[in-house]
This record gives sequence, structure tokens and C-alpha cells, in this order.
Amino acid sequence: KQEVTQIPAALSVPEGENLVLNCSFTDSAIYNLQWFRQDPGKGLTSLLLIQSSQREQTSGRLNASLDKSSGRSTLYIAASQPGDSATYLCAARTGANNLFFGTGTRLTVIP
Amino acid sequence: EAQVTQNPRYLITVTGKKLTVTCSQNMNHEYMSWYRQDPGLGLRQIYYSMNVEVTDKGDVPEGYKVSRKEKRNFPLILESPSPNQTSLYFCASRRTGSYGYTFGSGTRLTVV
Repeated sequence: KQEVTQIPAALSVPEGENLVLNCSFTDSAIYNLQWFRQDPGKGLTSLLLIQSSQREQTSGRLNASLDKSSGRSTLYIAASQPGDSATYLCAARTGANNLFFGTGTRLTVIP
Repeated sequence: EAQVTQNPRYLITVTGKKLTVTCSQNMNHEYMSWYRQDPGLGLRQIYYSMNVEVTDKGDVPEGYKVSRKEKRNFPLILESPSPNQTSLYFCASRRTGSYGYTFGSGTRLTVV
């Protein structure tokens, strides 16, 4: 069964800093990997989707990479802002019917 | 606006009182699923549906029922809720194929 791990569990950075969030998964036979943002008590907002055949995806200040062979994905956030404070979740889709989530990295950007 | 809508957002109920959490999507997605989110355990799949009248169990189906009579709706039914079903519930949908998921805003359920 797919296991997804996110390290660190929590991260605090000063505003303006570039940062990297890590996601690792045990089964490299994935369809795709999706990064989400979750604000406290709120739903999940999709940030980036990387297909298994892709190496990276970019959206604004966000860049996600995927290395299937090593079972890793990273989310790079450039020039962090206080509004980026949230929990970031990665999820690996394995098979037709399930999405396996990590437990998230809680990011705090300090003004 | 393309979205997944869950209702209610918050619900407090008593043990044993049947309840239904509704989920509706306006994107004509074939696939829908339910997840629960618990501290330290992350999100776990309860049930999923590949299309109308096709449903199957996820990782934690005990105590839940679902139905898929229409493509847009996928209600989650708790016939006899218990306190261990207190959780944050999410409905999600996607198109068939290698597409990403769209999640609803969540339903926070408390069973006392």
C-alpha cells in the first residue's frame, strides 16, 4: 500500500524567504501527484498537478517537481508571503480509485 | 463556478441519530469520493464511485453508506453515528482519466 510522508511537519520562515517542502512516496507506480493547500478548518485547494510523465509544473511563485524513480516530490515557494501560511498536503494517485495523502507540512511565514 | 458543494458545513448530533451529508458537483465528473481527516492520520478514503450506480469501499468504510443515483450527487449516510465518527469530512470529484481532484469545503461532524 502506498505510503506518503511529508517532512518537515512544521516550518517557520521569515517573509521573503524561498522554501522547499518535501514529499516522499513508497510506490513509484503513480498516475500523478497533486499538491494542495489547506487553511485552518477549510477545504483543500489544488495548487499543482504533476503527471507521472512530467518532471515539474509551475504556477506563479510555486514550482513542483517529481522524481518517480526516487519516490520524491518537492514544492518550491519563491519569495514567501504571510498569506502563504497554511498546511500543504501532497497526494499520490495510485490506481484508478484512490489518492494517498501525506499528513502535511504546516507553514508559517513571519512578517 | 466549477465546484464541489457539501452540506452542512458544521453538524453536531447525538449517537445513533441517522444523518446524511450531501455532496454535489457541477463539473459532470464521473468519479466521486469521500474522505475523512483526523489529526495525525491525514485524509483517508471512505467510499468512492466510478460512475452512476457504481460504488465501492475505500480504506475506512465501516459505519458509512453511500449512493450514486445521479451523476452530480454522492451523499454520505451515517445510519447510526458514533463518537469515533467525529471528524472533518471531504467530498471530492474528478474526470475519468489522469486528472486532478476537486475538493469540497468540508463538513465538520461532531457526534456526542
